[in-house]
Amino acid sequence: EAQVTQNPRYLITVTGKKLTVTCSQNMNHEYMSWYRQDPGLGLRQIYYSMNVEVTDKGDVPEGYKVSRKEKRNFPLILESPSPNQTSLYFCASSLSIWTRDANEQFFGPGTRLTVL
Amino acid sequence: AQSVAQPEDQVNVAEGNPLTVKCTYSVSGNPYLFWYVQYPNRGLQFLLKYITGDNLVKGSYGFEAEFNKSQTSFHLKKPSALVSDSALYFCAVTMFSGGYNKLIFGAGTRLAVHP
Repeated sequence: EAQVTQNPRYLITVTGKKLTVTCSQNMNHEYMSWYRQDPGLGLRQIYYSMNVEVTDKGDVPEGYKVSRKEKRNFPLILESPSPNQTSLYFCASSLSIWTRDANEQFFGPGTRLTVL
Repeated sequence: AQSVAQPEDQVNVAEGNPLTVKCTYSVSGNPYLFWYVQYPNRGLQFLLKYITGDNLVKGSYGFEAEFNKSQTSFHLKKPSALVSDSALYFCAVTMFSGGYNKLIFGAGTRLAVHP
């Protein structure tokens, strides 16, 4: 089954304790992205990756890191989490996002993170 | 500034009645337009998209959307609502930047369909 998977689905942690949220897709997609969803704000992009070893900042990158060493995986790293990073996080992938294309994005099930 | 507006936080509809979820956008050029749906404890699922051509686009689960260029709107519609349509709906618009597409999402509209 074509899908985007994320782990963990739920995480409660404390300020400053490094954590990683994994994301994996099995559709051989070039493009992957991380979003955070907050009430009244919709989805805001954190980081994205056009392909292996190519990553760039989205709209709200502060406090986050990513890596893209393999095409299928795109982990999100919070080196020193803070309470304002409490949110619902989604990983997404797409075949490509070049202007000539109009490919929809496929989303993972989400990771609900609480930072105390 | 590039933006997407979903003016209603919540839409309430009786089962069997038609529904409309509104979306307007402010993006330069001729963007691609999308609707996604989010069911509880699930990720976003693609419903439909408009690229070019016929202004009425049909998508999954009986939904359709009407593109209106002069009003810069892309409202989601369904002729007869089901209780199972209750979910959070997001409108999204592409912004073309540096040769690639960037998706801009609206804040979301919660649809509640009552029996």
